[in-house]
Amino acid sequence: AQSVTQLDSQVPVFEEAPVELRCNYSSSVSVYLFWYVQYPNQGLQLLLKYLSGSTLVKSINGFEAEFNKSQTSFHLRKPSVHISDTAEYFCAVTGNDYKLSFGAGTTVTVRA
Amino acid sequence: DTEVTQTPKHLVMGMTNKKSLKCEQHMGHRAMYWYKQKAKKPPELMFVYSYEKLSINESVPSRFSPECPNSSLLNLHLHALQPEDSALYLCASSQDPGTGVGANVLTFGAGSRLTVL
Repeated sequence: AQSVTQLDSQVPVFEEAPVELRCNYSSSVSVYLFWYVQYPNQGLQLLLKYLSGSTLVKSINGFEAEFNKSQTSFHLRKPSVHISDTAEYFCAVTGNDYKLSFGAGTTVTVRA
Repeated sequence: DTEVTQTPKHLVMGMTNKKSLKCEQHMGHRAMYWYKQKAKKPPELMFVYSYEKLSINESVPSRFSPECPNSSLLNLHLHALQPEDSALYLCASSQDPGTGVGANVLTFGAGSRLTVL
């Protein structure tokens, strides 16, 4: 079984400042890792995924995350946030099965 | 087509009503999922269908009844719900996990927001 811990429940940040959302996981098997974003009153959108290969993965809108196996982490970063990045962010982990384990979520609020 | 479409977007029902939530995907995915999400919480898995057969039921009360009429459609039939069942219900789909690395990456729909009075 896998589990995920998101270390920050709320992250307030000013526009154009950097942000880091921390995610740690536990698993006894090889894992696939994800970051999903949920904007207010919407469903979940896949932001990033690590399946294999390069440990640094990037999204088209400036987010990146790095898989660190030794520290069992998959932290999400963005060097400069926008107001539109205000959302709930979920880290998730799965093995090669149907069950996706979510973290509790991190609320990012970007202020001008 | 890379979307999962859910209808209705909003549903208000009484505790004696019978209603259904619908989900459709045309990505050729053979696994489909229902999740329940309460406010400010992560989604919780309810059911998984694989190749149109119920594969996982996470001990969901029988007042929720899933149905998978074909590989593109997934329904959730609702009957005699309680106010605490009010939540966002999310449908998702993926390839079957056994078909390769990353096959089980989920694509979510926008959700159906259910209010039980």
